[in-house]
Amino acid sequence: RKEVEQDPGPFNVPEGATVAFNCTYSNSASQSFFWYRQDCRKEPKLLMSVYSSGNEDGRFTAQLNRASQYISLLIRDSKLSDSATYLCVVKRGGADGLTFGKGTHLIIQP
Amino acid sequence: EPEVTQTPSHQVTQMGQEVILRCVPISNHLYFYWYRQILGQKVEFLVSFYNNEISEKSEIFDDQFSVERPDGSNFTLKIRSTKLEDSAMYFCASSEGQGGIYEQYFGPGTRLTVT
Repeated sequence: RKEVEQDPGPFNVPEGATVAFNCTYSNSASQSFFWYRQDCRKEPKLLMSVYSSGNEDGRFTAQLNRASQYISLLIRDSKLSDSATYLCVVKRGGADGLTFGKGTHLIIQP
Repeated sequence: EPEVTQTPSHQVTQMGQEVILRCVPISNHLYFYWYRQILGQKVEFLVSFYNNEISEKSEIFDDQFSVERPDGSNFTLKIRSTKLEDSAMYFCASSEGQGGIYEQYFGPGTRLTVT
């Protein structure tokens, strides 16, 4: 079983729409959770951390369900600039590196 | 805004050759990482480094790989004898601390092509 699983997409979404991504993780010892964004041939960039209580940052809302080992990201009022690959990322703790999912490819269409 | 830098941006080498990839982490950061991403695949953790020693490494980071902080600013990844399957984008990252609240900032990457 893959450590972090995501639907690879692509998700083709019209500008202004709301889109949701999910991911599941297999390691119950994971302690920290993130969504990163990666543009084509670029480095991953942190979009937001994900907290158990859920958190929002502008148009972006992230949720975590530890019992189901499930993380979600909601993007409202999508912009053309939101087109990218969204990476679900978990971390066990300590000096462990980040464990990435393969990413979900989002294309916002005008 | 401070950023992680990496050189070179693209390195082409022949199989069996040694390569050194260089990174300059953000100046007040204490934790350093290397990741790789094979084309079309996910980003994979290689190694973390703190206080001049390896903190954690993945199964990918075998004896062919080594890391070093030769001076106060550079952080290097050496691959002793490159294989075709080492072709990938290599990302360096750094963070202030190691807990989940500390963001890992990624450099722009070095694209390694082994021929």
